[in-house]
Amino acid sequence: DGGITQSPKYLFRKEGQNVTLSCEQNLNHDAMYWYRQDPGQGLRLIYYSQIVNDFQKGDIAEGYSVSREKKESFPLTVTSAQKNPTAFYLCASSITRDSTDTQYFGPGTRLTVL
Amino acid sequence: AQSVTQLDSQVPVFEEAPVELRCNYSSSVSVYLFWYVQYPNQGLQLLLKYLSGSTLVKGINGFEAEFNKSQTSFHLRKPSVHISDTAEYFCAVIASGGYNKLIFGAGTRLAVHP
Repeated sequence: DGGITQSPKYLFRKEGQNVTLSCEQNLNHDAMYWYRQDPGQGLRLIYYSQIVNDFQKGDIAEGYSVSREKKESFPLTVTSAQKNPTAFYLCASSITRDSTDTQYFGPGTRLTVL
Repeated sequence: AQSVTQLDSQVPVFEEAPVELRCNYSSSVSVYLFWYVQYPNQGLQLLLKYLSGSTLVKGINGFEAEFNKSQTSFHLRKPSVHISDTAEYFCAVIASGGYNKLIFGAGTRLAVHP
């Protein structure tokens, strides 16, 4: 089955530690995205990538980093510089970066800072 | 820039009753409009989208939405809800002709009671 997988489902981090969230897709999509979701708020874009070896900052990129070395993979690192990292993180992908292309979402990773 | 306002944070309704979830948007350019559903601790699933053509859009699970350009609205409706429709619903917009950047509303929690 084609789809987007995110791991782990739950992640706990101590303050001052960096953590990396995994996102893999087998849909052969060019574009991939990372969103952050906080209670009572909509999703906010952290980073997006239109193609391998290219990525751009979204609205809330501070304290986060990404890489896109392979088409199917777009990992997100939450660094110690992120002041309030506890949130639900969602990865998405679309066929291209065109605005008519539907974004498909993974199941999410819930990060909790202890 | 675009913005989305979902007018109700929570909507309680009895099973088999009709429901309307309201969404208004603001944009200086033409937009595409989307409704996504999120079940607890899961990713988002596309319900329906409006790109062009007929202003009445039919989606999955019996939902439909109507695009009203003069009122800048895209309200979601279902004539008879089920317990399984209990979820959070997000309205989102993208500027047409731009890159694939979804702007989300804060969400509406639909609670269907027996």
